[in-house]
Amino acid sequence: DQQVKQNSPSLSVQEGRISILNCDYTNSMFDYFLWYKKYPAEGPTFLISISSIKDKNEDGRFTVFLNKSAKHLSLHIVPSQPGDSAVYFCAASGGGGADGLTFGKGTHLIIQP
Amino acid sequence: SQTIHQWPATLVQPVGSPLSLECTVEGTSNPNLYWYRQAAGRGLQLLFYSVGIGQISSEVPQNLSASRPQDRQFILSSKKLLLSDSGFYLCAWSVPPGFFREAFFGQGTRLTVV
Repeated sequence: DQQVKQNSPSLSVQEGRISILNCDYTNSMFDYFLWYKKYPAEGPTFLISISSIKDKNEDGRFTVFLNKSAKHLSLHIVPSQPGDSAVYFCAASGGGGADGLTFGKGTHLIIQP
Repeated sequence: SQTIHQWPATLVQPVGSPLSLECTVEGTSNPNLYWYRQAAGRGLQLLFYSVGIGQISSEVPQNLSASRPQDRQFILSSKKLLLSDSGFYLCAWSVPPGFFREAFFGQGTRLTVV
């Protein structure tokens, strides 16, 4: 049973436009959510996070929105840049298991010039 | 500043051979340590985590084991590799439960079992 779902395996966005990556979760005990960015053959790097007590967190070009009632979060990148092309993983913690993170399968974001 | 080292970067091993991947963390004490695996077409799966020396918890039953002989050293092992063990293995650390929840990852090891 996949508790964190990223239903779009890939997303193509034109440079300068907004990229919106979506993530859904099923475990209502999750209380902290994170986005990681991963380039090929490298480890994921932390991008931005949000606590369940908030509905929005912003850091430069990156904004994460959380809709607890819908168990949905999204990552907005504005404006999108070529260096943003990577795989983005949504992750959640606090689900009653280990302190480790539960990851989605990732979305491959491709920024078109 | 904290850093995490993981090696080797790539590894090709025959079926039935042993495995040992090592991970060390610098610049922090008593971190939580994790081993994740990313198999082809799948997300990151937590394999093992450790909250202290000699304390290992397994999330998924498998052909692998983990050990933590020192506070900042985490080792992933197998006595006999299977083809299904191929994947991208990632070590990570985090500050023990509290305000900070972010996990910081190493560069990963690409393991191909042939």
